[in-house]
Amino acid sequence: AQSVTQPDARVTVSEGASLQLRCKYSSSVTPYLFWYVQYPRQGLQLLLKYYSGDPVVQGVNGFEAEFSKSNSSFHLRKASVHWSDSAVYFCAVSLSYGGSGNKLIFGTGTLLSVKP
Amino acid sequence: GPKVLQIPSHQIIDMGQMVTLNCDPVSNHLYFYWYKQILGQQMEFLVNFYNGKVMEKSKLFKDQFSVERPDGSYFTLKIQPTALEDSAVYFCASSLAGGRGDTQYFGPGTRLLVL
Repeated sequence: AQSVTQPDARVTVSEGASLQLRCKYSSSVTPYLFWYVQYPRQGLQLLLKYYSGDPVVQGVNGFEAEFSKSNSSFHLRKASVHWSDSAVYFCAVSLSYGGSGNKLIFGTGTLLSVKP
Repeated sequence: GPKVLQIPSHQIIDMGQMVTLNCDPVSNHLYFYWYKQILGQQMEFLVNFYNGKVMEKSKLFKDQFSVERPDGSYFTLKIQPTALEDSAVYFCASSLAGGRGDTQYFGPGTRLLVL
């Protein structure tokens, strides 16, 4: 069965510092992987997604993620965080049943707090 | 980017009553989804819906749950009757296509409290 683990419930970093949010997945097939962000009182917004090709995928607002098949990981990174990056970040894997629509399996989320 | 709206944002209801959660998906999207998130837990898939039919549902999608999208209007989740364990945030999502790589766009959620 597919699953996603985000081991860090909460991460606090100083503005301008670099960031890594961890995500581990379990999948019997090559996974589609996603990172979403949720700002207060808003819906989830897609940051980036990955299926194949270059294991480092670029997303919006300077975010990138690196896929590692050997480590079953899809960690999210940003070189320099801004206070406006404070939000909850969700890693997800997509499971599809041929034509019936897909469903996302989510991790528990990581609350990022950026200190000024 | 594309917006999904959900109405209401909050709902408090007595156990046993009926509740309808409304979702206004992205206008040209064809696939619709509901997810449930209990406080402090991960978001979990409830159901997906395409061409007027439920395509797949999880074990969380109890018999008291139903979904529909009459005449291309709101995509709704109805719970009748409600139970205490239905208290959660319910997220609606929509996508243009149903493949694994197709992006789902999410609404801000409806916070349901069953007393």
